[in-house]
Amino acid sequence: EAGVAQSPRYKIIEKRQSVAFWCNPISGHATLYWYQQILGQGPKLLIQFQNNGVVDDSQLPKDRFSAERLKGVDSTLKIQPAKLEDSAVYLCASSFSNTEAFFGQGTRLTVV
Amino acid sequence: GQQLNQSPQSMFIQEGEDVSMNCTSSSIFNTWLWYKQDPGEGPVLLIALYKAGELTSNGRLTAQFGITRKDSFLNISASIPSDVGIYFCAGQYGGSQGNLIFGKGTKLSVKP
Repeated sequence: EAGVAQSPRYKIIEKRQSVAFWCNPISGHATLYWYQQILGQGPKLLIQFQNNGVVDDSQLPKDRFSAERLKGVDSTLKIQPAKLEDSAVYLCASSFSNTEAFFGQGTRLTVV
Repeated sequence: GQQLNQSPQSMFIQEGEDVSMNCTSSSIFNTWLWYKQDPGEGPVLLIALYKAGELTSNGRLTAQFGITRKDSFLNISASIPSDVGIYFCAGQYGGSQGNLIFGKGTKLSVKP
């Protein structure tokens, strides 16, 4: 069974630029999460989808971050404009039904 | 954002020793999960716990779901060099609002 796929693996951008990350969850998984992991910390939930609906986006900085999962499968997370403090690893995870979540390898973002 | 209290923050042990780490929360969870993260990779699920008092093993790993549903521990017996990494606990409320909240991690170093 294929795991959670994320791209790109690495991204370096200048502050105030925009960036987008892509995630393809495990087939059949209705729940999709985006997490932000700052160096030395545990993952912090940004947004959770159930199919194509948002379950929780309370910790998503909505002035600059947006995410969508239009067809209930793939998802994109966008940052516009990026700030230095957005440098982190962005992890996508999926689960069948709010049970065990399986993670992708993440996208390491560096904002300079 | 909300995070669980995970301890210890780091451990330096000799190969062959046993390891114990734990996680506590002020909230009640329906599920406890333990993950391991290697450098440059996403967290990998080790053990999932679904019932208060549940004790589950996966090879040399044993984890328990606390009776109060507010804590969990992970034990690693007879550690080996490949156990090196960062271990995260995660609690999940369950249901449609099944947010997965992470601890800050325990960094394990094993000396051969």
